[in-house]
Amino acid sequence: KQEVTQIPAALSVPEGENLVLNCSFTDSAIYNLQWFRQDPGKGLTSLLLIQSSQREQTSGRLNASLDKSSGRSTLYIAASQPGDSATYLCAVRGSGSRLTFGEGTQLTVNP
Amino acid sequence: DAGITQSPRHKVTETGTPVTLRCHQTENHRYMYWYRQDPGHGLRLIHYSYGVKDTDKGEVSDGYSVSRSKTEDFLLTLESATSSQTSVYFCAISDGDGETQYFGPGTRLLVL
Repeated sequence: KQEVTQIPAALSVPEGENLVLNCSFTDSAIYNLQWFRQDPGKGLTSLLLIQSSQREQTSGRLNASLDKSSGRSTLYIAASQPGDSATYLCAVRGSGSRLTFGEGTQLTVNP
Repeated sequence: DAGITQSPRHKVTETGTPVTLRCHQTENHRYMYWYRQDPGHGLRLIHYSYGVKDTDKGEVSDGYSVSRSKTEDFLLTLESATSSQTSVYFCAISDGDGETQYFGPGTRLLVL
């Protein structure tokens, strides 16, 4: 059974800092990996999707990498802003249409 | 944002009563999903649909049923609600298998 772990569970940084969020998964036979953002009381917003054949994806200040063989992904946020404060979730898709989610990293960016 | 709405957004009900949650999309996406989100468990898939009248079970399907009679609507029914079904329920859609999933705003359900 696939298990997804996100470390740290919470992170607080000053504005402007570059930061890395980590995601690890136990079964490397994945189809793709997605990073989501969730604001309090809201739904999930898709940030980046990395196919299993890809090494990284970039969108603006966000860069996600994938090392499938070691079961790891990172989300790099450059020049963090208070508006980046949210919970960040990673999810992996294995066989079938099922996504397995981590519990997320709660990020606070302090002005 | 993808055109996904969920209704109701909040509901309080009593143990043993039936409850139906509705997910409506305007994107004409083929796949629709129901998840629940609970502290300590993250999001878990309940059921999903890959077309009208085509559904399959997810990780935590016991106590839930679904129906999809139209492309745009996916209904989740709790036949007899229990306190363990108190949760936040999210609907999601995707254009194809393995494609990006887009989530609705969620429904907060409290079963007393």
